[in-house]
Amino acid sequence: QVQLVQSGAEVKKPGASVRLSCEASGFTFTSSYIHWVRQTPEQGLEWMGIISPIAGTTDYAPKFQGRITITRDTSSTTAYMEVSSLTSEDTAVYYCVRDLGVAGDYWGQGTLVTVS
Amino acid sequence: EIVLTQSPGSLSLSPGERATLSCGASQSVTSSYIAWYQQKPGQAPRLLIYGASIRATGIPDRFSGSGSGTDFTLTIRRLDPEDFAVYYCQLYGDSPMYRFGQGTTVEI
Repeated sequence: QVQLVQSGAEVKKPGASVRLSCEASGFTFTSSYIHWVRQTPEQGLEWMGIISPIAGTTDYAPKFQGRITITRDTSSTTAYMEVSSLTSEDTAVYYCVRDLGVAGDYWGQGTLVTVS
Repeated sequence: EIVLTQSPGSLSLSPGERATLSCGASQSVTSSYIAWYQQKPGQAPRLLIYGASIRATGIPDRFSGSGSGTDFTLTIRRLDPEDFAVYYCQLYGDSPMYRFGQGTTVEI
């Protein structure tokens, strides 16, 4: 079955960076897109960026451009997102999402990042 | 920039009743790129509808989507106790690739 398993909760200090992982299984990793979406009570659901695992190409939301880097490792079918220069406003649940071209049909369980 | 506005913000209904949730876009959008998600506390969103009216795999037929242009609707024909949750509409577009509405809470 399709699964996206994300790394565990993180607690970071302001100014630090965090690297999140998303291990995919049950489908052809290189035939999909992987998005990263975060959720906060204040902003709701926010799209952060996308990677094409087959090509390695990325696109980032203007709000996060320059502060996030999305990568993938096709050998381990894992996507990663690094967020730098963390502030308290980055405290959120971060989700990876599989997309086959029209919508996010499978979501990871989410990773809570607390910046304090 | 296109903004999605969901209404109402919350809906109080009883099991067995019909729920009608609206999603308005600030300008006309392609219906192919409208999706609806359900989210329960502590869980990730779950895809219900894509292409404005196509049910995702495994979604019961009491869920239906409709609409075009700037107005889209999610209808839950007869509410089941497990349907009480927050519902989000989403536009799949250029950049940002996903835009979400602010959500509608369906509560008992």
